[in-house]
Amino acid sequence: RKEVEQDPGPFNVPEGATVAFNCTYSNSASQSFFWYRQDCRKEPKLLMSVYSSGNEDGRFTAQLNRASQYISLLIRDSKLSDSATYLCVVNMDNSGYSTLTFGKGTMLLVSP
Amino acid sequence: EAGVAQSPRYKIIEKRQSVAFWCNPISGHATLYWYQQILGQGPKLLIQFQNNGVVDDSQLPKDRFSAERLKGVDSTLKIQPAKLEDSAVYLCASSRTGAGANVLTFGAGSRLTVL
Repeated sequence: RKEVEQDPGPFNVPEGATVAFNCTYSNSASQSFFWYRQDCRKEPKLLMSVYSSGNEDGRFTAQLNRASQYISLLIRDSKLSDSATYLCVVNMDNSGYSTLTFGKGTMLLVSP
Repeated sequence: EAGVAQSPRYKIIEKRQSVAFWCNPISGHATLYWYQQILGQGPKLLIQFQNNGVVDDSQLPKDRFSAERLKGVDSTLKIQPAKLEDSAVYLCASSRTGAGANVLTFGAGSRLTVL
């Protein structure tokens, strides 16, 4: 089983739609979770952290389910500018340093 | 603050040749990472430095890849000899230690094509 698994998509949605991505991780000792966004031919950038209680940042909501070892990202009222690849990232603290493992990413295409 | 600088942005070489990539992290960031991103995949960690020490190089193909960060600031990643499957974007990232350790800032990447 891969450490971090994501559906590669693409998810094709119209503007204004709500879309959700899931990500599963294999290591139950994982401690921190993130979503990064990567535009085409650009570098990844941090979108948001994922907290145990769930967190929201504008149109974006992230949830963590430790029991089932998955993370989700919900995007409401999709914009054309949301088109990108969304990378699920899991951190495990190894002997005092952080090891971040990236999933393959889920591609989102928002159309007019 | 200035971002993570990488060079060159693009490099085309033939198989069995060598190549080197350079990275200058954000000032004050103790941790530096080299990731390899093959088309259609997520970034894969090659090596992680904290200051000038290696903390993780478990996925670095050491028969052909090497990296150094001698003075704990900038870093060089070398591939010698290159293979076709090394064609990828090599991303350098840096982060603080402690509370900021999980926030990686990436450079624009160095795109390598091996013919």
